Amino acid sequence: AQTVTQSQPEMSVQEAETVTLSCTYDTSESDYYLFWYKQPPSRQMILVIRQEAYKQQNATENRFSVNFQKAAKSFSLKISDSQLGDAAMYFCAYRKYGNKLVFGAGTILRVKS
Amino acid sequence: DSGVTQTPKHLITATGQRVTLRCSPRSGDLSVYWYQQSLDQGLQFLIHYYNGEERAKGNILERFSAQQFPDLHSELNLSSLELGDSALYFCASSDGQVYNEQFFGPGTRLTVL
Repeated sequence: AQTVTQSQPEMSVQEAETVTLSCTYDTSESDYYLFWYKQPPSRQMILVIRQEAYKQQNATENRFSVNFQKAAKSFSLKISDSQLGDAAMYFCAYRKYGNKLVFGAGTILRVKS
Repeated sequence: DSGVTQTPKHLITATGQRVTLRCSPRSGDLSVYWYQQSLDQGLQFLIHYYNGEERAKGNILERFSAQQFPDLHSELNLSSLELGDSALYFCASSDGQVYNEQFFGPGTRLTVL
């Protein structure tokens, strides 16, 4: 069974600084997707960024980028120029094609002004 | 706004009772996924329906059941409720294609007293 591990229960970052959230996963599949979701206090699940496993290039979305290391089964999220609105719970998630999402336990990100 | 609607937003009930949670997917989406988010279990996949048919089951208790209707809305039925069933229940929808991003609804917060 696939598992996703987020080893940092909580992280803090100063406003305008950069922070990296870690995620590792375990799978025997070669084709799959990886995601980072943000869950603010409203509890809405918001997709931040996605990565297709067959793509070597790391995905980027504005201030958000990932470091995808397929061999190491590592998928970290870097948030640059952190803003107060980035404060939330962040979930790393894995999905095979057309299948369910498997989530990590989440990392609470606090942004200090 | 993801386009996925869930009702009710909040539900408070007593142990032993039965409740029904409703989900309306985005227009055109054929797949509906149900997830449970609780403090002790994290975010877990419950069940997946595609165009009215059950496609996959996750850690769904026998006391729980779901269905997807011809108009593609879905209902999650929870019976003989226990205190431990208190959680946030999310519905997500996708278009059912190979690359099918899941769009999450706002969730239903269930409190069992």
